[in-house]
Amino acid sequence: EAGVAQSPRYKIIEKRQSVAFWCNPISGHATLYWYQQILGQGPKLLIQFQNNGVVDDSQLPKDRFSAERLKGVDSTLKIQPAKLEDSAVYLCASSLVLAGTGELFFGEGSRLTVL
Amino acid sequence: KQEVTQIPAALSVPEGENLVLNCSFTDSAIYNLQWFRQDPGKGLTSLLLIQSSQREQTSGRLNASLDKSSGRSTLYIAASQPGDSATYLCAVREANDMRFGAGTRLTVKP
Repeated sequence: EAGVAQSPRYKIIEKRQSVAFWCNPISGHATLYWYQQILGQGPKLLIQFQNNGVVDDSQLPKDRFSAERLKGVDSTLKIQPAKLEDSAVYLCASSLVLAGTGELFFGEGSRLTVL
Repeated sequence: KQEVTQIPAALSVPEGENLVLNCSFTDSAIYNLQWFRQDPGKGLTSLLLIQSSQREQTSGRLNASLDKSSGRSTLYIAASQPGDSATYLCAVREANDMRFGAGTRLTVKP
């Protein structure tokens, strides 16, 4: 079974530029998550989708971050314009079910460096 | 607001030693608790998932316990090996979110 796929693995940009990350979840997983992991910290949830609808985006900085999940499968996370503090690893995860008992499976992450 | 704490932040042990990693959480109203392993520059690999109704789960040399009432979980690693060196994170599942600890960085010396 293929895991969660993410790209690009690494990205270096200057502040005020834009960047986009892509995620393809495990086949059949209805729920998709984007997490931000700053060095030395645990991942923090940015946004959660159930199929192609947003379940929770309360921690997404909406002035600069946006995310979509078209057709309930792949998802894209965009940052525009980027700030220095956005340097982090962006992790995508998927789960078979929405709440409660579902196990989360993570991709390898996309490491962003903002100069 | 749920807070997840992992102690110690870093741990170094000689190969072959048995060890325990600790995780505590402030709100016992959780659905489950999951332990992950993270290698440098990599994503998270799920190790064990304990549902709220369970008290422990085992996989190979790993055993995880859950005491919801006291807000604690432990990950026991038996006969540690250099290949176990990684950061171990625990996460508690609430209704629509999973809250992570900052992790314990484990080094197993040959």
